[in-house]
Amino acid sequence: NAGVTQTPKFQVLKTGQSMTLQCAQDMNHEYMSWYRQDPGMGLRLIHYSVGAGITDQGEVPNGYNVSRSTTEDFPLRLLSAAPSQTSVYFCASSRGTGTYEQYFGPGTRLTVT
Amino acid sequence: AQKITQTQPGMFVQEKEAVTLDCTYDTSDPSYGLFWYKQPSSGEMIFLIYQGSYDQQNATEGRYSLNFQKARKSANLVISASQLGDSAMYFCAMREDSTLTFGKGTMLLVSP
Repeated sequence: NAGVTQTPKFQVLKTGQSMTLQCAQDMNHEYMSWYRQDPGMGLRLIHYSVGAGITDQGEVPNGYNVSRSTTEDFPLRLLSAAPSQTSVYFCASSRGTGTYEQYFGPGTRLTVT
Repeated sequence: AQKITQTQPGMFVQEKEAVTLDCTYDTSDPSYGLFWYKQPSSGEMIFLIYQGSYDQQNATEGRYSLNFQKARKSANLVISASQLGDSAMYFCAMREDSTLTFGKGTMLLVSP
């Protein structure tokens, strides 16, 4: 099992550009989520999904879009990048909510200039 | 109000000693879960230990144990016999329903 994979590992964008961060898992997990990590802020939830076709907003959803057409994939779209979106982005998955451990991808370091 | 509070930005410990990392939480939901993750300098998030709100006993995983005091809403991580490889950022997190909320973390440095 590859676990949770994220691409790309690094990305530099100009303000106003759009892009999609890819996330895939091969563990047949129902629950997937996206976090951003900023210095001194811990991880903050952007969007999450409890199954294919179902998504919901987390703590910091503005400027981001998600969809979940398959169990395996959960892409995160930046609609019009802003310098405030410079961050490290983590995708995570788990068997469900509640007691299940979340497995994290390796992260994507995004810089918006 | 913060849901997860980690009051120690940094902690220092000598190798082979025990260390306690503090975590307090705030929730009115009777059903919740508490997690600790380790993030070394390489950046990956590593799951350490889990405690459910209905669990009667404190969770343990090898050198890690969770000191769960429900009435005080605290879930401190205890690392026994610290090793140099324990130097990392440690995050406490709480799951309510479908969301996981993280604290700001504690940087642990283990010296020889």
